[in-house]
Amino acid sequence: NAGVTQTPKFQVLKTGQSMTLQCAQDMNHNSMYWYRQDPGMGLRLIYYSASEGTTDKGEVPNGYNVSRLNKREFSLRLESAAPSQTSVYFCASSERRIYGYTFGSGTRLTVV
Amino acid sequence: GESVGLHLPTLSVQEGDNSIINCAYSNSASDYFIWYKQESGKGPQFIIDIRSNMDKRQGQRVTVLLNKTVKHLSLQIAATQPGDSAVYFCAEIGGGTSYGKLTFGQGTILTVHP
Repeated sequence: NAGVTQTPKFQVLKTGQSMTLQCAQDMNHNSMYWYRQDPGMGLRLIYYSASEGTTDKGEVPNGYNVSRLNKREFSLRLESAAPSQTSVYFCASSERRIYGYTFGSGTRLTVV
Repeated sequence: GESVGLHLPTLSVQEGDNSIINCAYSNSASDYFIWYKQESGKGPQFIIDIRSNMDKRQGQRVTVLLNKTVKHLSLQIAATQPGDSAVYFCAEIGGGTSYGKLTFGQGTILTVHP
């Protein structure tokens, strides 16, 4: 009954370092998404995967890559972290668009 | 570009009052709208949704109103409780090329005073 699980919950990186944010869902949803949320703002879509084997860019994809490893898992990679990528990252999944999304609890990333 | 935005960034109410949170959207092709509640340190939680072929939908203590003529969405919370304190986001799922992708507004901070 976990829903959407994100790891890690917190991370501090130095500029130029790389890391991968992990996301897994246990609801057998077809679609998965990565969002970032900056202070005082709504969530902005980075990348999404409409179904296993497909990925597409969202509103703010620069500096990120994604992998839909299987139906359950969707990872987000920062190849060379920049301070502008300091944010809270949320993963979400959905079965069909009309039912809305289920969100994870977020990863708070700080790049120094 | 297309966007979903909110009129009021903050709203303070007394416990027991009714709260109304407003949202304006600009994409007339959007056909599905959702309200989310986000508590501190947590991800957004689904509250209620409405399709574009509806004007009103009611849930438990919450009502969403949609006015397509002026592209306006509102969330009404009845008998607001301290546990309702959170940031509330409206979001849209558009048709056409935006099919399936959720676009969020900026958010309204609701503070409920005991």
